[in-house]
Amino acid sequence: KQEVTQIPAALSVPEGENLVLNCSFTDSAIYNLQWFRQDPGKGLTSLLLIQSSQREQTSGRLNASLDKSSGRSTLYIAASQPGDSATYLCAGWYNNNDMRFGAGTRLTVKP
Amino acid sequence: DGGITQSPKYLFRKEGQNVTLSCEQNLNHDAMYWYRQDPGQGLRLIYYSQIVNDFQKGDIAEGYSVSREKKESFPLTVTSAQKNPTAFYLCASRDGQTRAYGYTFGSGTRLTVV
Repeated sequence: KQEVTQIPAALSVPEGENLVLNCSFTDSAIYNLQWFRQDPGKGLTSLLLIQSSQREQTSGRLNASLDKSSGRSTLYIAASQPGDSATYLCAGWYNNNDMRFGAGTRLTVKP
Repeated sequence: DGGITQSPKYLFRKEGQNVTLSCEQNLNHDAMYWYRQDPGQGLRLIYYSQIVNDFQKGDIAEGYSVSREKKESFPLTVTSAQKNPTAFYLCASRDGQTRAYGYTFGSGTRLTVV
């Protein structure tokens, strides 16, 4: 059974720091990988989608990479801001309707 | 603006009651999904539907039921058979014709048993 793991479960950094969130998955037969942001009590907001033929995607201060051979994806956040504080979830697509989620990394950026 | 609307935002259920959570989308997406989120766990798939009048069980379908009578709507009923229904429920949709755009999620419904 495919599993997605995110480490660490929580991370606290000072404002302005560059940081990396990690996501690992057990099965390399992954279609796409999607990163989401979730604020407390809210739904999920899509940040980046990396298709299986791609190695990375960028949006503003965010960069996500995908290495299927090693079963890893990383989300890089540059120059972190207090507004980046949220839980970040990664999810691997194993077919059109089988999307496996990690438990998330709760990020706190201190002013 | 296109999106997914979930209602209500908060829902309280008494023991033995059935309750229905609403999910409506105006994105013209074919596929719709219901997930359950519990603290410290990843989202788990309850049911999904790829077309109108068709739906499939996910990993944790027991105690839940759905219908898909219209493309825009995918309501979830939490029945009395669901023994631990307190959770955050999220509805999502996806363009069934391509994988290029990912999943879109609603804002969720928090269900509490009282």
